[in-house]
Amino acid sequence: GAGVSQTPSNKVTEKGKYVELRCDPISGHTALYWYRQSLGQGPEFLIYFQGTGAADDSGLPNDRFFAVRPEGSVSTLKIQRTERGDSAVYLCASSPTAGTFTDTQYFGPGTRLTVL
Amino acid sequence: DQQVKQNSPSLSVQEGRISILNCDYTNSMFDYFLWYKKYPAEGPTFLISISSIKDKNEDGRFTVFLNKSAKHLSLHIVPSQPGDSAVYFCAASNQAGTALIFGKGTTLSVSS
Repeated sequence: GAGVSQTPSNKVTEKGKYVELRCDPISGHTALYWYRQSLGQGPEFLIYFQGTGAADDSGLPNDRFFAVRPEGSVSTLKIQRTERGDSAVYLCASSPTAGTFTDTQYFGPGTRLTVL
Repeated sequence: DQQVKQNSPSLSVQEGRISILNCDYTNSMFDYFLWYKKYPAEGPTFLISISSIKDKNEDGRFTVFLNKSAKHLSLHIVPSQPGDSAVYFCAASNQAGTALIFGKGTTLSVSS
């Protein structure tokens, strides 16, 4: 079956611009996660959705970052006034159930964001 | 401050030999640990996990060992194959099940 897909695969933008990154989770998966991976680092948690609601957004670095999941499937990560330090690979993951720490998270290929 | 640490950035092993990847954690409340494998330009893929009620979990060529008192886990791959060459991430699940906390990864190179 289809895995987690993310679009675009690459995004180059200029400092100060607004970007949207999209994630299509595995069909039927309730939980959706966003992570950010900077060069030489492991993935770093940003936000977790349980259905349509953001159940844990403690990883969002500041209020320039926002994510939505209006219908409980596709999610969009939005970054306002981008900064060079936002350059990273943004990973999305989904898992079948919510709030079960033993559930496997399935990752998409990521969106590589470059802020010039 | 890193809660999950992989202190070896890289490891080189010959085909057929054992690969041992190490991971340390600082939070004694962590109960569930996972290993993910990542190829370039792909997302991480789940490899194997272990709950804190166990000290060993095995799946084919992959075995994970957990030493709770030392806050240490290791992944053993035997025999190693060239296709195992990838970045391996150790991760811990936070107690609420809302996030994985990853180490920085270890790049494994298996030569034939």
